[in-house]
Amino acid sequence: NAGVTQTPKFRILKIGQSMTLQCTQDMNHNYMYWYRQDPGMGLKLIYYSVGAGITDKGEVPNGYNVSRSTTEDFPLRLELAAPSQTSVYFCASSPREGAGTGELFFGEGSRLTVL
Amino acid sequence: AQSVTQLDSQVPVFEEAPVELRCNYSSSVSVYLFWYVQYPNQGLQLLLKYLSGSTLVKGINGFEAEFNKSQTSFHLRKPSVHISDTAEYFCAVQRGTSYGKLTFGQGTILTVHP
Repeated sequence: NAGVTQTPKFRILKIGQSMTLQCTQDMNHNYMYWYRQDPGMGLKLIYYSVGAGITDKGEVPNGYNVSRSTTEDFPLRLELAAPSQTSVYFCASSPREGAGTGELFFGEGSRLTVL
Repeated sequence: AQSVTQLDSQVPVFEEAPVELRCNYSSSVSVYLFWYVQYPNQGLQLLLKYLSGSTLVKGINGFEAEFNKSQTSFHLRKPSVHISDTAEYFCAVQRGTSYGKLTFGQGTILTVHP
């Protein structure tokens, strides 16, 4: 049971570099999300998607982009990395009925450091 | 907009002692309430949720929480903790129509000592 899989688990970037965090789920969930977790700040929603081809901004979308070409995959793109993007990134998914009740399934996270 | 405040950033307790992790929220509309747990180096897992009905909800691993609308609180309790309960706990709220778009509190680190 893979669930939600994120790669890479760890990455160090230099300021100005770009990269993509990969997220895939094998549960056929319609809804997918990207959150970032900063110490003492909880998690904040970056982007979300309600299905293939449909994405929308969350609370903190600046500096990020997403795409959803398939039900399974929801990559997060960082353009021109900045130190403020140092964080732990979590991808999550939910079935349509579960999304209405806030029951999300999280990946194990991707720890990104920008130096 | 809604917000969540977890009143304690760290809670140390001894094994087999009771514990309460406090959560207050604010919202101008009805919300759903959740507690998630994050074990070291893992993603978050749903511990329990309040959607409607009975204000006392039971979750996994012996945890329970009580929804108090007048005090806008959703405190998490366990009568006897175990070493394996050591983790970070997050309270979260969702507006009824905001599918999966949760607002999280800052987190409470529960450390259970032998």
